[in-house]
Amino acid sequence: NAGVMQNPRHLVRRRGQEARLRCSPMKGHSHVYWYRQLPEEGLKFMVYLQKENIIDESGMPKERFSAEFPKEGPSILRIQQVVRGDSAAYFCASSPLRPPYEQYFGPGTRLTVT
Amino acid sequence: DAKTTQPNSMESNEEEPVHLPCNHSTISGTDYIHWYRQLPSQGPEYVIHGLTSNVNNRMASLAIAEDRKSSTLILHRATLRDAAVYYCILRVYSGGGADGLTFGKGTHLIIQP
Repeated sequence: NAGVMQNPRHLVRRRGQEARLRCSPMKGHSHVYWYRQLPEEGLKFMVYLQKENIIDESGMPKERFSAEFPKEGPSILRIQQVVRGDSAAYFCASSPLRPPYEQYFGPGTRLTVT
Repeated sequence: DAKTTQPNSMESNEEEPVHLPCNHSTISGTDYIHWYRQLPSQGPEYVIHGLTSNVNNRMASLAIAEDRKSSTLILHRATLRDAAVYYCILRVYSGGGADGLTFGKGTHLIIQP
């Protein structure tokens, strides 16, 4: 049973470039969540998606950030025109379709903006 | 999600039980109590959850106060691999899913050999 997979594990981008982070949920899970953990800070919820739908994006920055979870393929978190403040660990989680909707996290993508 | 309060850090010795407290005095009747932990340089990991009754699983036990205003996560025999930040989170389930987790600062558990 493969867990949640994220790639790449480490990503280095220069200021102004685009970053694409991928997340494959656990088999059978169709709920995906993205979180960000800034250096020395706590985890912050960003967005909650189901297949082809954004359910809650209340934690997403208003500009430059977008997320999708297509019918086929992984969920993608896209950051356009990255800035140094985007440097963080980005975690994806998936949950099953029944209570208690516990979340299973991937190993994270560590984004460094130079 | 309703607010929870946890001690910033706790220290325990290896192979001894650990009791991690959590206060949630504003909990509502539909809030479930979830615990997650995050080991260094890893993603968070689900530990256990409960509503009213005490719960046991292979990782830990969860003791819930009768008035549900507090709970305690119990690690029966801590090992060095249990050193992590432990988060107590209240969740409400809606039809077909649940919202994203609201992580507080959690309790940093230090295990001494």
